[in-house]
Parts: sequence; C-alpha cells; structure tokens
Amino acid sequence: DAGITQSPRHKVTETGTPVTLRCHQTENHRYMYWYRQDPGHGLRLIHYSYGVKDTDKGEVSDGYSVSRSKTEDFLLTLESATSSQTSVYFCAIRIEGARTAGYTFGSGTRLTVV
Amino acid sequence: AQSVTQPDIHITVSEGASLELRCNYSYGATPYLFWYVQSPGQGLQLLLKYFSGDTLVQGIKGFEAEFKRSQSSFNLRKPSVHWSDAAEYFCAVGFYYGGSQGNLIFGKGTKLSVKP
Repeated sequence: DAGITQSPRHKVTETGTPVTLRCHQTENHRYMYWYRQDPGHGLRLIHYSYGVKDTDKGEVSDGYSVSRSKTEDFLLTLESATSSQTSVYFCAIRIEGARTAGYTFGSGTRLTVV
Repeated sequence: AQSVTQPDIHITVSEGASLELRCNYSYGATPYLFWYVQSPGQGLQLLLKYFSGDTLVQGIKGFEAEFKRSQSSFNLRKPSVHWSDAAEYFCAVGFYYGGSQGNLIFGKGTKLSVKP
C-alpha cells in the first residue's frame, strides 16, 4: 500500500490561531487531496493538488490555504482557526494505473478549535 | 454539477439478514465508483471499486456492488449481515475525463446498525 501519513493526529487550538496540518506520502503520486469530515456531510473536498505548486480549490475552501513545495508533502493551513473548522481532516492520494488505480486515505487529523 | 446521493441516512437490519445500501450519482459519463466503510473513530477502508467491465463487482468482507448505467446507481449488497458490519458506509465517485483532475466526491454516508 502507498504510504501516507498525517500529522498531527490530534490537535486542540484556540480560535484565531493559525494551524497547519501535514500530509506526507512516500511515493511520487501526482494528485493529493484534503477533505474534511463532519457528521451528516460525509467527506467534502477542501483543496487538491495536481503537482508541485499546482493546487486548486474544492467545495469548501473558504478559510483554508494549501501548499505543495515538494511532491511528497501537501500542507493544509487554517490561517485563523474558527470553531466551525472543528472537524476530522483526511488527506488522500490518487493512485494511477490500470489495475491499482484508486485512492488511499490517511488516518485523519482530529482538530478541535476552542 | 456532479453529485452523489445516498438516500438512506440510517439503516437497521437484523444479523443474518440481507443488506442493500443505495447510491446514485449525477454525471454525464461513466465515472469511477467506490464504496468505503468507516468504523467509529477510524479511517476509511475501501470495500470495492468499479472502473469498467463486469458491472457486478466483488469486494472484501463478502460485499458486492452492481453498477447500473441506466439508473446511475451503484448499490452495495451483502447477502447475510454480521454484527461486525455495523459502521458507516460511503459511496464515492471519481469523475475522470480527458485532463480532468479526477476529484473524488462522496455521498453523505449511510449508518448501518445491526440487531442481534
């Protein structure tokens, strides 16, 4: 399986503070994604990347920014955290190939904004 | 716009009974289709996927799903549910065409409870 790790796994932060979540992959997959999961909403796409320094917005991008300076790392930043950003955040990579194509998800980061 | 609908928010079945979870999508072409399962506090586990070919797909844990193009559906089935199947199930659709980024869009999930 493709290696994908998220850090931190849990974080509690105060309203108004900046927060950065990290997604790291051990293989050179081009596409990476950040989702948030909230009860009753499933997973919603925040931002995605299709290469180094190539990123675009997803469905719920307001209040979030991303950066991808290296293939293996995709960072999600909450510039000024709000309580509405309390959520579980999942990173994913897209695996391409005739037989292996699909998506692999990280274990998630549980973020609480107080 | 592309969308994925799981009409049932919560389903309760008896252990040993059959199960069908519904998923419909809105898209003009054939997408890539996935079912994931998530236990409380856990990550997402892939049950099965459909890209092309045989429209009946077998997955892990005894699950299967059938793609019906005419109904834009990809329903998940299991002939006999076990108590350990209690979890939340997500249908997801990846839209690939030409140079598309192939973003994965999720339904809102169906929570499955299993009665002893």
